[in-house]
Amino acid sequence: GAVVSQHPSWVICKSGTSVKIECRSLDFQATTMFWYRQFPKQSLMLMATSNEGSKATYEQGVEKDKFLINHASLTLSTLTVTSAHPEDSSFYICSARGPRDYSFWTYEQYFGPGTRLTVT
Amino acid sequence: KQEVTQIPAALSVPEGENLVLNCSFTDSAIYNLQWFRQDPGKGLTSLLLIQSSQREQTSGRLNASLDKSSGRSTLYIAASQPGDSATYLCAASGSRLTFGEGTQLTVNP
Repeated sequence: GAVVSQHPSWVICKSGTSVKIECRSLDFQATTMFWYRQFPKQSLMLMATSNEGSKATYEQGVEKDKFLINHASLTLSTLTVTSAHPEDSSFYICSARGPRDYSFWTYEQYFGPGTRLTVT
Repeated sequence: KQEVTQIPAALSVPEGENLVLNCSFTDSAIYNLQWFRQDPGKGLTSLLLIQSSQREQTSGRLNASLDKSSGRSTLYIAASQPGDSATYLCAASGSRLTFGEGTQLTVNP
């Protein structure tokens, strides 16, 4: 099946620094990738949608200058949290839309294992 | 704007019991409805995906149904086990994937 990986799985950084999270589709080409954020005891909230080679589309209330998304290839998207603050501490999950065969047309999304970010 | 609601928010049952988790959505124009499982501190595990043209999907002890006209989906878990304890999320796929708040399931041995 389609596999999505994230790196790192967890990261601790100091307030004011930047951190980059990678999301890779391992065995398929993903033209669209999604970034979600999940706070404790809450559901996933979509932050942005990125299409390969295009600028990401951010959801309302998400600061595009703070959460930089780059989708440079069909298998890699990165999320950079700039000038991180403790309130940015969260669980970040990426997702990729399925392969161009059957799954593409069912709009199934495959999810990565998540990255736990703690800002001290 | 799609809204997805899951009932109950939490459920505790004894091992071996059959149970039903409910999911409702406000916009019936969906491509599919997915059920996920999430263990504490972990990512999502896809359980079942029901395409908009389908009525149900089955995998092992899990059965999910979809009624687009009424905006409802149910996840049926047969003969529950302690290992089934997790949070179950449903998500409706339209222009974007919209998640419910989840049902936290505890199966007691």
